[in-house]
Amino acid sequence: QITLKESGPSLVKPTETLTLTCTFSGFSLKTSGESVGWIRQPPGKALEWLALIFWNDDKRYSPSLINRVIITKDTSENQVVLTLTDVDPTDTATYYCAHAPPGYFFRWFDPWGQGVLVTVSS
Amino acid sequence: QSALTQPASVSGSPGQSITISCTGSSSDVGGYKYVSWYRHHPGKAPKLIIYEVNNRPSGVSDRFSGSKSANTASLTISGLQAEDEGHYYCTSYSSTTTLVLFGGGTKLTVL
Repeated sequence: QITLKESGPSLVKPTETLTLTCTFSGFSLKTSGESVGWIRQPPGKALEWLALIFWNDDKRYSPSLINRVIITKDTSENQVVLTLTDVDPTDTATYYCAHAPPGYFFRWFDPWGQGVLVTVSS
Repeated sequence: QSALTQPASVSGSPGQSITISCTGSSSDVGGYKYVSWYRHHPGKAPKLIIYEVNNRPSGVSDRFSGSKSANTASLTISGLQAEDEGHYYCTSYSSTTTLVLFGGGTKLTVL
């Protein structure tokens, strides 16, 4: 059974850097084809894909955030970390991490973590 | 690249069928079979209900079905039940720089 859980601060000040950790079990990012993504949902708005990291350390980012977001993995700890720099109130959202099944293309996200609500405010 | 286009809301009575559309382009929905659908209740993890256009994960009711024609994918829910209420999102692989596209979401209300 695959599970994922997000962790990180619930409140961040504008201009600061947000660091979120996704801790997962049931699969390994050492396994060919596996990947983990980050998705967020601002209050009252739609889901938005942020980043995806593959087993081979290939990384893909949403063009709208590419200058501010970094995704990394720690295979020994079964963790994926999302870093978002220079945050502002529009980055207030529930942040989810999710498993993407093996494949050459992105196929789907399943399962997802429960999400962590991050508020950006001074 | 803009999100995939979904209707903001749909509604139906118990027992009826509804269809939610998801329109993209030949670079995403129309060009690949990697369209998936999720149900999302606020405060909970989104749940995969359809993958690769028309496949149901184990445990998902056969009242849910998916299809695709040209650049538009569709999710049909038959025999509507109150528990089907929620927000539904489509997702597609994209061959552009935006690897993963989400739809804007559709709120389903069971009357």
